[in-house]
Amino acid sequence: QQPVQSPQAVILREGEDAVINCSSSKALYSVHWYRQKHGEAPVFLMILLKGGEQKGHEKISASFNEKKQQSSLYLTASQLSYSGTYFCGTEDFGNEKLTFGTGTRLTIIP
Amino acid sequence: DTGVSQDPRHKITKRGQNVTFRCDPISEHNRLYWYRQTLGQGPEFLTYFQNEAQLEKSRLLSDRFSAERPKGSFSTLEIQRTEQGDSAMYLCASSPRTGARTDTQYFGPGTRLTVL
Repeated sequence: QQPVQSPQAVILREGEDAVINCSSSKALYSVHWYRQKHGEAPVFLMILLKGGEQKGHEKISASFNEKKQQSSLYLTASQLSYSGTYFCGTEDFGNEKLTFGTGTRLTIIP
Repeated sequence: DTGVSQDPRHKITKRGQNVTFRCDPISEHNRLYWYRQTLGQGPEFLTYFQNEAQLEKSRLLSDRFSAERPKGSFSTLEIQRTEQGDSAMYLCASSPRTGARTDTQYFGPGTRLTVL
């Protein structure tokens, strides 16, 4: 079953912060985050493994709450280059493959 | 490391024709995945290989779809008797499969298929 992302779309001014959520109905082993710009391939951002760890990548970080089967992606002091559609891909214990969410479209305006 | 490449980048075909796409993974990546993506949706898993072995195929994949990875390097995805509903972006990804359960998947640029 496909993970649910929220919000579906968000518009920010440059410098503002955003949070993107990903929820699954299944027990998860890992969550993978990708960003895709229009007409391009998804680009890997980070992997979160079970254990509730939080990872960071410059001003982009993420957390994984394995009890709630939820992951959140945090974008701070957003830049124009952050615009795109963000997808979470979830891996549950029964499969060694990713199931992607429906995406969150992020638009950053000057 | 030249990245994952796919060919062709665009394909326009008439309904009922067969099409074949090629994916060249990152060198020495032994896992290769095929996904389909339609407008506004996330990538949808189709199938994946570990070396030359096809380990899983989506139940959503009809018998018109077949994939191969004959020597554990490049892979082909063939769609027979194409239908308009097959129009989509077909993405290929590879991962190194280091032995850990979870490995990063690196995506290629995709092949956009339009069925008229």
